[in-house]
Amino acid sequence: EPEVTQTPSHQVTQMGQEVILRCVPISNHLYFYWYRQILGQKVEFLVSFYNNEISEKSEIFDDQFSVERPDGSNFTLKIRSTKLEDSAMYFCASSEFENNSPLHFGNGTRLTVT
Amino acid sequence: AQKITQTQPGMFVQEKEAVTLDCTYDTSDPSYGLFWYKQPSSGEMIFLIYQGSYDQQNATEGRYSLNFQKARKSANLVISASQLGDSAMYFCAMIGNHAGKSTFGDGTTLTVKP
Repeated sequence: EPEVTQTPSHQVTQMGQEVILRCVPISNHLYFYWYRQILGQKVEFLVSFYNNEISEKSEIFDDQFSVERPDGSNFTLKIRSTKLEDSAMYFCASSEFENNSPLHFGNGTRLTVT
Repeated sequence: AQKITQTQPGMFVQEKEAVTLDCTYDTSDPSYGLFWYKQPSSGEMIFLIYQGSYDQQNATEGRYSLNFQKARKSANLVISASQLGDSAMYFCAMIGNHAGKSTFGDGTTLTVKP
């Protein structure tokens, strides 16, 4: 069964550094998303992406964050100048349709900012 | 605005028994979808079941069924014949008209006792 893959599974970075989290969505899916889950807390929407542009973003997704689809398969989340509070699990997801379509999640990248 | 409420932070069930995890929602969107995800201790998000707001029948997927009561705005997950491997966090989520901007509940931790 096709799946969403994320790399790396764990990332440790120092405060102030830039990180890039990578995702390969399911190949026939057109809609891509990033979510964040701080340890022990709820899953929070960050951004949705379609047709090479951001469709929606939450208030969390400020100028520190950016997304990109650099080629036909990868979907990346860049976090500039990381802060301690950016430590979380970051999930990439994709869906086939825009509305009422299940989100298929990757296994997540656990980001630790020290 | 969308809202998902899961009122049970933790639930216990005996192996082989059935358990119901509660979820209520609120939305002004006329069309929406409701999802349940399982998050084991390893951290990945596993899609379990989906119910569309216009679906006439309750969704079922193997041992999982969704008790959808539209008038009450509830979408409870029923797990039949619980197994030890069902021990995990369970999230109820909703997606409305906005592309991918799913709203997640706080989750319910299910523990299956042998």
